[in-house]
Amino acid sequence: QVQLVQSGAEVKKPGASVKVSCKASGYTFTDYYMHWVRQAPGQGLEWMGWIYGKSGGTSYAQKFQGRVTMTRDTSINTVYMELTRLTSADTAVYFCARRDDYLTGHAMDVWGKGTTVTVSS
Amino acid sequence: EIVLTQSPGTLSVSPGERATLSCRASESVSSTYFGWYQQKTGQAPRLLIYSASSRATGIPDRFSGSGSETDFTLTISRLEPEDFAVYYCHQYGRSPITFGGGTRVEI
Repeated sequence: QVQLVQSGAEVKKPGASVKVSCKASGYTFTDYYMHWVRQAPGQGLEWMGWIYGKSGGTSYAQKFQGRVTMTRDTSINTVYMELTRLTSADTAVYFCARRDDYLTGHAMDVWGKGTTVTVSS
Repeated sequence: EIVLTQSPGTLSVSPGERATLSCRASESVSSTYFGWYQQKTGQAPRLLIYSASSRATGIPDRFSGSGSETDFTLTISRLEPEDFAVYYCHQYGRSPITFGGGTRVEI
């Protein structure tokens, strides 16, 4: 079945960087886009950007431009999201979510379980 | 960016009752690229409705979506105990992709 498995929780100091991974299985990795969405404690969902599995092309939310980099490794069906210059405001759960262009018209149909990133001195 | 405003913030209902959740967009949204998600505590969001009114795979028919342009509605016809959660509306047709602030459905 389609599955997205994310890397484990991270604790970082302010100013550091974090790199979260999301390994896909159960479908053709290069046929799909992958979004990253984050959720601060007790807050709503915030879209960060997407990466296309085939070309590696990306689109980032303006808020994160210059601080976020999304990459992928097609040999292991894995996407990565790196966020730099972390502050306490970046403390959140980070989700990867597949964009489905075939059945649901671009909706995020499958989600990873999330990776908790805590930024604390 | 398109701002999605959900109301009410919290909806208190009993099992078996009907729940109606609203989402208003700051400008017109293509119905093709509008959806609803359910999120339970400690879990990832789950796609319920896409293209404003189509149920995702495995979603029971007590969930229905409607609306167009700037006003959209999610209706849960008869609440089951497992339906108590937070619901988010979502537009994914225009960048930046945005979500509403959520409606908590509680007993």
